[in-house]
Amino acid sequence: GQNIDQPTEMTATEGAIVQINCTYQTSGFNGLFWYQQHAGEAPTFLSYNVLDGLEEKGRFSSFLSRSKGYSYLLLKELQMKDSASYLCAVMDSNYQLIWGAGTKLIIKP
Amino acid sequence: NAGVTQTPKFRILKIGQSMTLQCTQDMNHNYMYWYRQDPGMGLKLIYYSVGAGITDKGEVPNGYNVSRSTTEDFPLRLELAAPSQTSVYFCASRPGTSGEVETQYFGPGTRLLVL
Repeated sequence: GQNIDQPTEMTATEGAIVQINCTYQTSGFNGLFWYQQHAGEAPTFLSYNVLDGLEEKGRFSSFLSRSKGYSYLLLKELQMKDSASYLCAVMDSNYQLIWGAGTKLIIKP
Repeated sequence: NAGVTQTPKFRILKIGQSMTLQCTQDMNHNYMYWYRQDPGMGLKLIYYSVGAGITDKGEVPNGYNVSRSTTEDFPLRLELAAPSQTSVYFCASRPGTSGEVETQYFGPGTRLLVL
C-alpha cells in the first residue's frame, strides 16, 4: 500500500530551527510537495522536490533522498506565524497526490 | 483573479438529506479535485477531473457524485448524507497544460456537519 509518515506534533522556540521529517512508500514517485496549513484554512504550497538534494527558499528549505524514501522540511529563524500544520505529499505514478496526516508545529515565545 | 472559491463555508445536514458543494475557479485550469480532510488526517481524494466532461474516482468516492460541464465549475453532490461524511471538503485545481508537475491551488474549504 501507499504510506506517508510524519510526526504528529512538534514544539519549537521562536527564533530557533526545526526539522520536520517525512518518510514515504508509494507506487511510483513524481515528486514530493510540502504544504503549510494554518488552522481552519486551506493548504498553501511551500516547496517541491523531484531530485535528490536540498532546495532553499528563504527561511524554508526542503531535502529529498529518493533512495531512502525520505524528505525533511527545515524552518529557520522561527516566527510565531509559522505555527501551523505542515503536510507532506507525494505524487505517485498516476500523478495523484498522496498526503501525510500533517505535523502540527507549535511555536513558543 | 479570485482563484478557487467554494460555497457554502459551513453547513449542517440531517442524516439522509442531500446537498451540493460548489467549486469554481477562474484561472482556466484543466484539472480540478475534491478532497476531504478529517481531523488529524491527511487529505483524501474523492473525485477529480482532467477537463470539462471528464471525471474520475479517487480514493474515497462512495456516497459522492460530481459533474464537470464547464472548465470553471466542479460541483460535488452528496445524495444521502451520513455522519461519516462529516468533514472539511477542499476543492483544488492546477493548470494541467505544461506537461510538467504542477502545484495545486486550494479553495478555502467547506465544513460539513451531518447529524
